[in-house]
Amino acid sequence: ETGVTQTPRHLVMGMTNKKSLKCEQHLGHNAMYWYKQSAKKPLELMFVYNFKEQTENNSVPSRFSPECPNSSHLFLHLHTLQPEDSALYLCASSQDKRGQGTQYFGPGTRLTVL
Amino acid sequence: GQQLNQSPQSMFIQEGEDVSMNCTSSSIFNTWLWYKQDPGEGPVLLIALYKAGELTSNGRLTAQFGTTRKDSFLNISASIPSDVGIYFCAGLYGSTSGAGSYQLTFGKGTKLSVIP
Repeated sequence: ETGVTQTPRHLVMGMTNKKSLKCEQHLGHNAMYWYKQSAKKPLELMFVYNFKEQTENNSVPSRFSPECPNSSHLFLHLHTLQPEDSALYLCASSQDKRGQGTQYFGPGTRLTVL
Repeated sequence: GQQLNQSPQSMFIQEGEDVSMNCTSSSIFNTWLWYKQDPGEGPVLLIALYKAGELTSNGRLTAQFGTTRKDSFLNISASIPSDVGIYFCAGLYGSTSGAGSYQLTFGKGTKLSVIP
């Protein structure tokens, strides 16, 4: 238990569906991250929020839409996804953006797009 | 962008053997990190290294920050079955002044299998 929870743990959706991934951290951190993990590829940073402000968007397609209502919660809204978007989506948090090294990861959401 | 070359990609070892893996880069980093990921879980930080030449241990794990700041090594001594998983290196480059620009780059991982 790292103090970062993610729901759902597994998600299967069609290309026309809209769904959301949720992340919650109980560590009092101020920075939160979304990563995509695909087989045989390095972890890909998608979005960074620092004190609720989005500070990085690594050229992520607009079909992925993040939301950070407060420092403890992070969402990833999904719509009209493609099969190649199937992956493990990991949320992480750190004290702040400078403390990126000591990130705590959630268990991930395994997403399958049909 | 920065890239990390992590090797080996996978390892099969006998229980009790020592393990070594490494990461190299053409870029320098200010921090090197090693994570372990168990099946169905997110990565867990094992060791963080902050200075060139630094050698840090965490139980049976020992990691070193290369003197050139372009590489790092992780050793596991006397492996046990619960050591199985995927080990990731990560390098952090960033400026400590002002807002700075921080970028954490991950290797592709080393999959470790331990044969009892």
